[in-house]
Amino acid sequence: GQSLEQPSEVTAVEGAIVQINCTYQTSGFYGLSWYQQHDGGAPTFLSYNALDGLEETGRFSSFLSRSDSYGYLLLQELQMKDSASYFCALKERGYQKVTFGTGTKLQVIP
Amino acid sequence: NAGVTQTPKFQVLKTGQSMTLQCAQDMNHEYMSWYRQDPGMGLRLIHYSVGAGITDQGEVPNGYNVSRSTTEDFPLRLLSAAPSQTSVYFCASGTIETQYFGPGTRLLVL
Repeated sequence: GQSLEQPSEVTAVEGAIVQINCTYQTSGFYGLSWYQQHDGGAPTFLSYNALDGLEETGRFSSFLSRSDSYGYLLLQELQMKDSASYFCALKERGYQKVTFGTGTKLQVIP
Repeated sequence: NAGVTQTPKFQVLKTGQSMTLQCAQDMNHEYMSWYRQDPGMGLRLIHYSVGAGITDQGEVPNGYNVSRSTTEDFPLRLLSAAPSQTSVYFCASGTIETQYFGPGTRLLVL
């Protein structure tokens, strides 16, 4: 099976840019997804990378490099409401289950 | 279109009791799954299903049963509740790219 590693905590200043990394160990997968979860809430989908490169969705962008087994979520113009946990996830080819990363708790400070 | 619904929202059980957590989706997704999330932790996969009549174990299946008689419903049964099963339970349905989560069931086992 696969494992996806993320930093446990990241702190950034309001208005700044922050990058949340995700490294994985798997030989083949469909693509990398990103989810946001506020305290007490359910995870919600943010972004999906089927191919290598950058996908942009408003203030959020996500990047994938299959050759480096690495992806990241980039949050620009940080707002206080971006304080949440962020998870990467993937579905490995040959397996039917979706596995989530360890999660990164982002704290945005004034 | 209600998405993914879960009942109950909250439940308190005594050790040894059994119960069923309900999950339903109206998006006609073949893939459904159950996760548990403990405080400050990530999502751990309990069981998943790739279609009606097909289920399989995830990372932490012990103490839980599932069945999938229809595309819409995917109930999770706790056979004999234990304090270690105190957690927040999320049901999800989706595609390769995107998982849609229900609001969660908060379970306390005394």
